[in-house]
Amino acid sequence: DQQVKQNSPSLSVQEGRISILNCDYTNSMFDYFLWYKKYPAEGPTFLISISSIKDKNEDGRFTVFLNKSAKHLSLHIVPSQPGDSAVYFCAAIGTGGYQKVTFGTGTKLQVIP
Amino acid sequence: EAQVTQNPRYLITVTGKKLTVTCSQNMNHEYMSWYRQDPGLGLRQIYYSMNVEVTDKGDVPEGYKVSRKEKRNFPLILESPSPNQTSLYFCASSPGQGLELFFGSGTQLSVL
Repeated sequence: DQQVKQNSPSLSVQEGRISILNCDYTNSMFDYFLWYKKYPAEGPTFLISISSIKDKNEDGRFTVFLNKSAKHLSLHIVPSQPGDSAVYFCAAIGTGGYQKVTFGTGTKLQVIP
Repeated sequence: EAQVTQNPRYLITVTGKKLTVTCSQNMNHEYMSWYRQDPGLGLRQIYYSMNVEVTDKGDVPEGYKVSRKEKRNFPLILESPSPNQTSLYFCASSPGQGLELFFGSGTQLSVL
């Protein structure tokens, strides 16, 4: 059973516009969420994270929003740039330890110049 | 340079021939883990290690073994590889709870 879901396998956005990537989860015990970006032939790299006690975290062009009641988080990229074209994974860590990290299936973002 | 190094980058083998994928990190991280990436399934955790001599199963441990004899190294062992273990494998390390994972560049394994 997929506890972390990214229902959109792909997304295309014009350069300069906002990219919104979504992630849903089913386990209410998750208490930390992260976003990773992955380019082809490279390992994922950390982008931004949010604790479950917050509803928003911002880092430059990247903002993550968490809606605990809806078990939903989203990553906003504003403005989108061609270099943002990559696969984005959301990930969740449960209470009681950070040992098990559950990843979503990924969303491939294409930013069109 | 802080990094996680995996070897080899590409590996083609045959069913049943034991293999080891090495992973080493130079950041003195306590936590290390292995993932496999498959189309439509994202990244799935195979094994993780909280520290030297402390390892535990992730979500898909069947057919894999690991060891953590030194803090910096965390090899992934496939004693008898099968075609369903054809995948892209990533090793990662982290300094601690809630902190980001640092990934290696990946190992593309094909089992014929």
